[in-house]
Amino acid sequence: NAGVTQTPKFQVLKTGQSMTLQCAQDMNHEYMSWYRQDPGMGLRLIHYSVGAGITDQGEVPNGYNVSRSTTEDFPLRLLSAAPSQTSVYFCASSKRGASGTEAFFGQGTRLTVV
Amino acid sequence: DQQVKQNSPSLSVQEGRISILNCDYTNSMFDYFLWYKKYPAEGPTFLISISSIKDKNEDGRFTVFLNKSAKHLSLHIVPSQPGDSAVYFCAYVIQGAQKLVFGQGTRLTINP
Repeated sequence: NAGVTQTPKFQVLKTGQSMTLQCAQDMNHEYMSWYRQDPGMGLRLIHYSVGAGITDQGEVPNGYNVSRSTTEDFPLRLLSAAPSQTSVYFCASSKRGASGTEAFFGQGTRLTVV
Repeated sequence: DQQVKQNSPSLSVQEGRISILNCDYTNSMFDYFLWYKKYPAEGPTFLISISSIKDKNEDGRFTVFLNKSAKHLSLHIVPSQPGDSAVYFCAYVIQGAQKLVFGQGTRLTINP
């Protein structure tokens, strides 16, 4: 029962490098989203998707790209990493119309940009 | 502008007593409020929710109260147990969307 799987768990990047954070879910959920968690800030929405082929920006989208070619996968791309992107990243999925819109989260990716 | 505020960064409670975590909000256009619990090095997990049309929801040791006139939400845990030690986030779902807006979180520590 995998749920939401994020890879890698840890990553160190140099400023200017690019990388992709992977997220996959096996619950056939329509909605997927990416959040970042910073001290004292809670979780802030980066990008989200309401279904395959449909994505939209959240609260803090700058410096990140997403695509949703399948229901299962929702990768997050950092185009040119900056120290301000040092954070813990969480991917989440939820089912359309679920009572309370309970979202399931992955275990997170801790990213350090030096 | 923080739309959801958890003004207490931390809370320490003795085992067996009641824990009360608070949350204030500014936007009234929401469908649900949710509470998530997070242990270190893990993702948040859903704990309990409350619909915008209700003022109370109870699930075992956990009860959430919603005061719409005061724009205030609280989570009561009775009795508190050591396994309840975690960071708790309140969040609301924007009406008509599936986006969650989170508070800053409160670190709850249950002392034996």
